[in-house]
Amino acid sequence: SAVISQKPSRDICQRGTSLTIQCQVDSQVTMMFWYRQQPGQSLTLIATANQGSEATYESGFVIDKFPISRPNLTFSTLTVSNMSPEDSSIYLCSAHQDAGINEKLFFGSGTQLSVL
Amino acid sequence: DQQVKQNSPSLSVQEGRISILNCDYTNSMFDYFLWYKKYPAEGPTFLISISSIKDKNEDGRFTVFLNKSAKHLSLHIVPSQPGDSAVYFCAASAYYNTDKLIFGTGTRLQVFP
Repeated sequence: SAVISQKPSRDICQRGTSLTIQCQVDSQVTMMFWYRQQPGQSLTLIATANQGSEATYESGFVIDKFPISRPNLTFSTLTVSNMSPEDSSIYLCSAHQDAGINEKLFFGSGTQLSVL
Repeated sequence: DQQVKQNSPSLSVQEGRISILNCDYTNSMFDYFLWYKKYPAEGPTFLISISSIKDKNEDGRFTVFLNKSAKHLSLHIVPSQPGDSAVYFCAASAYYNTDKLIFGTGTRLQVFP
């Protein structure tokens, strides 16, 4: 199974600043995703990180607020821009090894973000 | 619009007994269902899944039941062990978008001795 390293594990940030979260997978994966879990809420898909092209965002999420990079098949970053307290959440990176086979969706340990 | 619902935020069960975690969904297009388990400070890990063509799938102590007419699934853990104490997420996907998982809000299971 793939191992996903995500950093930072937690951060406390000031309103108006930006934070970039890094996700490194120990093997090449076909697809990478970014999820958010707000307090008391479910895991919500932010976007699919596409290797070599722009990310595909879900309804309610936009590139200006959550720019994503995926320069190769093992690495991706998510930036939370111009943060506000409402952005306080756990952000999770996940990855597929085989397209369309949901059992092989692995998750990083998450980034606990608090915005003051 | 919460398409996958876990109405019990927490459950407490004695060691050795059965734990039953419930999940309801609203989208009739969902045809694949999964349970993930999450320990504190760790990411969710896949536990067990079931396709809509089945009504039961078993893996060791874990069994998932699917009732399509009721749009309901449940996870049974027998016997429950203290190491099972975690948050359990139900998730679903539709045949037309298998890469997109819709998650419930999770149920925190505590197994006490």
